[in-house]
Amino acid sequence: KNEVEQSPQNLTAQEGEFITINCSYSVGISALHWLQQHPGGGIVSLFMLSSGKKKHGRLIATINIQEKHSSLHITASHPRDSAVYICAALYNNNDMRFGAGTRLTVKP
Amino acid sequence: ETGVTQSPTHLIKTRGQQVTLRCSSQSGHNTVSWYQQALGQGPQFIFQYYREEENGRGNFPPRFSGLQFPNYSSELNVNALELDDSALYLCASSNPPTGYTFGSGTRLTVV
Repeated sequence: KNEVEQSPQNLTAQEGEFITINCSYSVGISALHWLQQHPGGGIVSLFMLSSGKKKHGRLIATINIQEKHSSLHITASHPRDSAVYICAALYNNNDMRFGAGTRLTVKP
Repeated sequence: ETGVTQSPTHLIKTRGQQVTLRCSSQSGHNTVSWYQQALGQGPQFIFQYYREEENGRGNFPPRFSGLQFPNYSSELNVNALELDDSALYLCASSNPPTGYTFGSGTRLTVV
């Protein structure tokens, strides 16, 4: 069982829709990352969170330490947002555990 | 500031051979982490180097080894390649507590 669980695995949305991707982890962490991976493999780090909420443009990430849960929200989604979104939990021994990813497709 | 550069981008090796993958860290970053991503799966942590010393290791056998150089660039070496080693190898640099910058990866195919 993966220590980092993401849902949904696949998500298809119409342009303009509000999107939420969820991530839960099983034990205490030092930080949680949200990453974006496009076809071909390159990964872009979107957010690193240890508490609260962060916003960058149309992207919002929240984390609830007590519930061991984080969400990534995309407002006014656009086809260029289509990618795989991965949450990754960083543990105190520098081990980063990754979720399996959520494949997002935004249709025009 | 420069990003993280990995080389080569693609590589084909034969089972039993050895391979060296390279990663340059982002300017100002002193930590490099390596990950293996099999097709359709999330990345798995291989190990991390901080100031030229191994600073954490995942569940990978000893034939996976690494180095970090004084300029904080890093190498991942894999000996006795197996077919299951075929994957995308990602490196990421960081300067804790700041976030990670990932490279675009090296796609290794073992035949």
